[in-house]
Amino acid sequence: KAGVTQTPRYLIKTRGQQVTLSCSPISGHRSVSWYQQTPGQGLQFLFEYFSETQRNKGNFPGRFSGRQFSNSRSEMNVSTLELGDSALYLCASSFGQGTYEQYFGPGTRLTVT
Amino acid sequence: AQSVTQLDSQVPVFEEAPVELRCNYSSSVSVYLFWYVQYPNQGLQLLLKYLSGSTLVKGINGFEAEFNKSQTSFHLRKPSVHISDTAEYFCAVSEKWSGGGADGLTFGKGTHLIIQP
Repeated sequence: KAGVTQTPRYLIKTRGQQVTLSCSPISGHRSVSWYQQTPGQGLQFLFEYFSETQRNKGNFPGRFSGRQFSNSRSEMNVSTLELGDSALYLCASSFGQGTYEQYFGPGTRLTVT
Repeated sequence: AQSVTQLDSQVPVFEEAPVELRCNYSSSVSVYLFWYVQYPNQGLQLLLKYLSGSTLVKGINGFEAEFNKSQTSFHLRKPSVHISDTAEYFCAVSEKWSGGGADGLTFGKGTHLIIQP
């Protein structure tokens, strides 16, 4: 089985712009979660989608949003980018709702200048 | 809300020596516990998990961990390390929901395992 794929792998944006990141889960997995990884804050949970519905949300501002499509692929959007949004964004998929066992993608490295 | 503490930010170990990476968690409800490994410029790979049952769990690459409920710990061990084990190791916890399912993962800050020849 192919693993979790994320596109693009690297992205450079300017402060104030918006960005969309994409994640394709492992075939058959219906849950997709997103995490932000920074040197200062470490790994932080953003949100989880299951069957096209957001089921769980971390403590991030409303500028961070996401959605899931009927084929379980997910996108994450960040509007009005700030310098502090520079991070590695990781997507993880699991078979069912919740996080019994999550499989992570390689991440998208976002740099905001 | 749950939290995870990895007391050691760096652990240097000689090759073929044993290693223990410590992890303590805080939660008011039942939890699932995980250890992940991250190699440079890569995503996270699941090493092992504790969901229920036996408190000693074995994972990939010769790693094992023991869940200790009374001490709220989930320490990771390997009897003999190799150069290839050099990586960042993350402990994570997820709180169980009463109706099934669980919260998103809460991670510790990570422990950088450095293997010295």
